[in-house]
Amino acid sequence: QSALTQPASVSGSPGQSITISCTGTSDDVGGYSDVSWYQQHPGKAPKLIIYDVDNRPSGVSNRFSGSKSGNTASLTISGLRNEDEADYFCNSFRTSDTFVFGGGTKVTVL
Amino acid sequence: QVQLAESGGGVVQPGRSLRLSCTSSGITVSQYALHWVRQAPGKGLDWVAAISSDGSFKYYADSVRGRFTISRDNSRKILSLQMNSLRPDDAAKYFCARDESDYASSRWAYWGQGTLLTVSS
Repeated sequence: QSALTQPASVSGSPGQSITISCTGTSDDVGGYSDVSWYQQHPGKAPKLIIYDVDNRPSGVSNRFSGSKSGNTASLTISGLRNEDEADYFCNSFRTSDTFVFGGGTKVTVL
Repeated sequence: QVQLAESGGGVVQPGRSLRLSCTSSGITVSQYALHWVRQAPGKGLDWVAAISSDGSFKYYADSVRGRFTISRDNSRKILSLQMNSLRPDDAAKYFCARDESDYASSRWAYWGQGTLLTVSS
């Protein structure tokens, strides 16, 4: 099972906006709306920040937003803050009733 | 407060078996699907298996299908993962996660802190 493709790292200065891409195929990202994003700080459990492509769970900052075009989903963090420095993983349902993560993107706040 | 707590990790030799458990407190899990996700040290997240709320549907990653078995006991609020024929590449921290759907989705709002499995001779 090939993982979804994410950039290894993305960086930005405080206050800037950054976007993380997540590229799959028509068997996963492109074929379903069941795409989510997780934030993980070192030594911590992942935290759900986006589900169903562009929905935010209660309590998650509106600085986080999601979208999808074709086989690529995207996570945008607006007004970047120091506490946003973490690893981010996309996840998608995949044909044959499985789930697949992206390789992860390390976000650095400069 | 919803809490999930994994247990059962440890050091095991290649080819041996181990059973992981995940218990819940603070909220019922019987209405939701549950997942196992693993993360090797310094690596990304890797979905392992899922089970529907009533246990009737089970889903596995290709890498573990035929070796791992997911099960649940809703009366005792326990999720289990029986792992057989363990390999070195199974070594990871194993997390349990609660879905927000009764059948599996990618919306996993609650996670445990994980239990560490080491596979080594």
